[in-house]
Amino acid sequence: GDSVTQMEGPVTLSEEAFLTINCTYTATGYPSLFWYVQYPGEGLQLLLKATKADDKGSNKGFEATYRKETTSFHLEKGSVQVSDSAVYFCALSDLARNTGFQKLVFGTGTRLLVSP
Amino acid sequence: NAGVTQTPKFRILKIGQSMTLQCTQDMNHNYMYWYRQDPGMGLKLIYYSVGAGITDKGEVPNGYNVSRSTTEDFPLRLELAAPSQTSVYFCASSYSQGGSGYEQYFGPGTRLTVT
Repeated sequence: GDSVTQMEGPVTLSEEAFLTINCTYTATGYPSLFWYVQYPGEGLQLLLKATKADDKGSNKGFEATYRKETTSFHLEKGSVQVSDSAVYFCALSDLARNTGFQKLVFGTGTRLLVSP
Repeated sequence: NAGVTQTPKFRILKIGQSMTLQCTQDMNHNYMYWYRQDPGMGLKLIYYSVGAGITDKGEVPNGYNVSRSTTEDFPLRLELAAPSQTSVYFCASSYSQGGSGYEQYFGPGTRLTVT
């Protein structure tokens, strides 16, 4: 089935450093791709998404580009803040052909720790 | 707007006990979901519902049951709790199918320990 692979964490950075969190996927069709973020003690929140190849999703200074040729959706931010410390999940949409239901398939998550 | 609320926040169960995890959303979303999150793993879909009275199994439904009698509520029932059900449980909702680009809104989670 479809799957998502994320880089293992934790990723430890100093404030204002450049962030990249790698995400690659395996899919038989053309899924939508997502980044969700989980702050400590909270549920997941949608950070950004891209629904077709070459789309760029962006939000709160984070960006990710849907690269079909490399099956990747890497998350980047030019200058991280302490408040960006969280767990980041890459996800894709997976269509169940027998029911027509599109579920989300999540990666294992990457913890980001930003120090002052 | 409270969004998605879950109760309880924490619970410790003994093996063989039963409990219901409550989930309520006030956004009039048709789709609701239950996930479990194990340490170092991504979220796994347990059950989902596409509207009141309609539910279906996800990837890991064994040991759980759900019902959806109203648009707002989607309780998850654990019968005969086992240590393998120790996890963090998240409820989520969306206006339409989460996979087709519609955002899923998550509750804060219930941390369950079975001993």
